[in-house]
Amino acid sequence: GIQVEQSPPDLILQEGANSTLRCNFSDSVNNLQWFHQNPWGQLINLFYIPSGTKQNGRLSATTVATERYSLLYISSSQTTDSGVYFCAVESLGGATNKLIFGTGTLLAVQP
Amino acid sequence: EADIYQTPRYLVIGTGKKITLECSQTMGHDKMYWYQQDPGMELHLIHYSYGVNSTEKGDLSSESTVSRIRTEHFPLTLESARPSHTSQYLCASSERPWDTEAFFGQGTRLTVV
Repeated sequence: GIQVEQSPPDLILQEGANSTLRCNFSDSVNNLQWFHQNPWGQLINLFYIPSGTKQNGRLSATTVATERYSLLYISSSQTTDSGVYFCAVESLGGATNKLIFGTGTLLAVQP
Repeated sequence: EADIYQTPRYLVIGTGKKITLECSQTMGHDKMYWYQQDPGMELHLIHYSYGVNSTEKGDLSSESTVSRIRTEHFPLTLESARPSHTSQYLCASSERPWDTEAFFGQGTRLTVV
């Protein structure tokens, strides 16, 4: 099945710094999402981005489907950005499309 | 904003008890999922459904069972809980079986003692 890898696995930032999180996937996809898991465990939707670039405030994401990766940019980080960031993909084709999660990036933003 | 609800939010239960974790969505979404997440962070798909009367097993083997009798409801049942079932369980839904955004509930944190 499709493999989804995220890097870095852990990241510590000072408040105000910028960061880039990466998601690599091993096969063609027709769906890619970025989530933020808050301290209470809930997954918050950040972007639905199977291709192209989107921006939402201090966050933006780019997916280059032909090269099988996606990037999540966080600018001017705040302590509330701390938590785990996941990408999840749904592979193209087949009769059993499933949303498969990456390994996650644990982000800690220090004041 | 998505309307998908899980109950209970937290559950501590003794070994051998039967439990049902509830998941409901009010959006009329066809596809629903259950994921299991251990403290090591990774989310593993354990069950999914394309619609009423459809249920499929995910990538991670699970002793739990699911049913989809109504579009809006996708409960997960453990017939006899064990400490190894201690985990967080997350339910999700998406509008169509393919190519659409998935939304998650708040999760149920289960502890079996």
